[in-house]
Amino acid sequence: QQQVKQSPQSLIVQKGGISIINCAYENTAFDYFPWYQQFPGKGPALLIAIRPDVSEKKEGRFTISFNKSAKQFSLHIMDSQPGDSATYFCAASTAIYNTDKLIFGTGTRLQVFP
Amino acid sequence: GAVVSQHPSRVICKSGTSVKIECRSLDFQATTMFWYRQFPKQSLMLMATSNEGSKATYEQGVEKDKFLINHASLTLSTLTVTSAHPEDSSFYICSASTYGSYSTDTQYFGPGTRLTVL
Repeated sequence: QQQVKQSPQSLIVQKGGISIINCAYENTAFDYFPWYQQFPGKGPALLIAIRPDVSEKKEGRFTISFNKSAKQFSLHIMDSQPGDSATYFCAASTAIYNTDKLIFGTGTRLQVFP
Repeated sequence: GAVVSQHPSRVICKSGTSVKIECRSLDFQATTMFWYRQFPKQSLMLMATSNEGSKATYEQGVEKDKFLINHASLTLSTLTVTSAHPEDSSFYICSASTYGSYSTDTQYFGPGTRLTVL
């Protein structure tokens, strides 16, 4: 129940296209859903995050769509660029267990070709 | 803002030696710090959670006597890999958050430390 399932494992998109990565969870106590971007040999960097009180959040070319009833959330990257090529991780956490512990998805390796 | 540093970025050591990795929050006070391990092309695996001034909480399967964590101040946590062996070779990443218990907040990650044990 603590798992966060992420798909696809890898994604190839042409420059200018839309990249979509999906995540699903079981634990209804999760109340914070961040997305992280990681380049090879670097630590993850927070990209965008959402809480369950909204269904969508947009920051520049990055949008999170959140479906509370389906227990799913997704990351959309509009106008994908070669510089977006990285591994993306979704995550979830809850304050109920008195911890900020993040449960990470398995990651999606995105490649954007010119 | 919200910068987390790690030192060293890379370390190579001989089997049986101990290695200390430092994690610092540079521009904020971190009540909670986390240590992760990441194998190639895999996700981040949480090893332990530490709150300033108290003992770390280790995840199931992580040997607390092998991975010693000290969170001495609100800006510094250290991970010591004791008697390192080749199977401990991995990418170790720390993160810090500004809130501890009772609320969720953003975790900011360090750049990671590549440990290679020969």
